[in-house]
Amino acid sequence: DSGVTQTPKHLITATGQRVTLRCSPRSGDLSVYWYQQSLDQGLQFLIQYYNGEERAKGNILERFSAQQFPDLHSELNLSSLELGDSALYFCASSPRWGQANTGELFFGEGSRLTVL
Amino acid sequence: AQSVTQLGSHVSVSEGALVLLRCNYSSSVPPYLFWYVQYPNQGLQLLLKYTSAATLVKGINGFEAEFKKSETSFHLTKPSAHMSDAAEYFCAVSDGANNAGNMLTFGGGTRLMVKP
Repeated sequence: DSGVTQTPKHLITATGQRVTLRCSPRSGDLSVYWYQQSLDQGLQFLIQYYNGEERAKGNILERFSAQQFPDLHSELNLSSLELGDSALYFCASSPRWGQANTGELFFGEGSRLTVL
Repeated sequence: AQSVTQLGSHVSVSEGALVLLRCNYSSSVPPYLFWYVQYPNQGLQLLLKYTSAATLVKGINGFEAEFKKSETSFHLTKPSAHMSDAAEYFCAVSDGANNAGNMLTFGGGTRLMVKP
């Protein structure tokens, strides 16, 4: 158990719909990262938040957005869903810099999104 | 920009045989390197990491990896494969833990199959 919690574990929805994925980082971790894992694209970095602020952006579509709340949990919002958005979405967290941070990310078990 | 190349998307070995999974990286700064394992329907679990200390790194479940700067490689090995090692393995690189976070860039993954 990494200590990172993601909900829901599975989600099935239709094209054109909107969904929200939730992530609670490990206790004390300030950074949250979102990754998308699909068969054709592999593991792609989407976005990172640090203590409520966006810190880095990867290959995130404009239809996707995220935020990190004051209690440090994060949500990834996916809208106008397309078949190609079907994937496993991972959240990860890491400690603040200088606080036993040895570089790795701690991953949740993922949210599997199926768009029909 | 950093990148990771994993040679061989599928590797098959017999139980008891040597496991060798290849990883080459590209980084403009001294890298931090990681191997993660993903078992079916699970999240990513850290196997081992290199963070500029010893070049031969030992991880969990009998795995180890050697950092070779001259070859820009970080290959993963295990002397004797077990059936339970069947999983997908990901090599990842970051530019080190810093105040901006630990964003990891992943390779495409190698699926390890172990034959009885």
